[in-house]
Amino acid sequence: DTEVTQTPKHLVMGMTNKKSLKCEQHMGHRAMYWYKQKAKKPPELMFVYSYEKLSINESVPSRFSPECPNSSLLNLHLHALQPEDSALYLCASSRLAGGGGELFFGEGSRLTVL
Amino acid sequence: ILNVEQSPQSLHVQEGDSTNFTCSFPSSNFYALHWYRWETAKSPEALFVMTLNGDEKKKGRISATLNTKEGYSYLYIKGSQPEDSATYLCAPYNFNKFYFGSGTKLNVKP
Repeated sequence: DTEVTQTPKHLVMGMTNKKSLKCEQHMGHRAMYWYKQKAKKPPELMFVYSYEKLSINESVPSRFSPECPNSSLLNLHLHALQPEDSALYLCASSRLAGGGGELFFGEGSRLTVL
Repeated sequence: ILNVEQSPQSLHVQEGDSTNFTCSFPSSNFYALHWYRWETAKSPEALFVMTLNGDEKKKGRISATLNTKEGYSYLYIKGSQPEDSATYLCAPYNFNKFYFGSGTKLNVKP
């Protein structure tokens, strides 16, 4: 199984809602990532988890709250988002953090904030 | 933040044409460079992972070269097919992070 599964594929939420994006992999990878991508822009790193611990937070606003409950799961909790947070959120995993190994991506969750 | 530039931004070719794109990046502190292929409504997939200056990698009709001293990588597609239509992203790896370019969007017309 070389898949990274993201749910939901699409999410529409209001600025006062609380929602979560989920990501799952069963490749035994110990590093998991959240990227944000806006149209015609490069994917931007948000968070990196290594061995279920947060290792990189790219100064992401606290309205985005990541969680890694176990080595296969990565969540992104969303609260009080702004319309400018509308974007494609990509999850990725790699065998290890550091070392520049291949990233395996999910198909993304398309978020629209009204 | 690493400044990664890809050119061209988009490219339209006929089936059978050969084409190439460029990825430019700062050459200092280089560690690795990845190329990813991203088809619409699918997930980005790794094409090549390159680490050594002068590296050349090939997968079928697609190949890539790497020059770490001058900070660029070329991706070549020989005899483009409609199924090659996708966005091609390069991502240098440095300081424990990947820095993605904006990609080159390739459209191959039958």
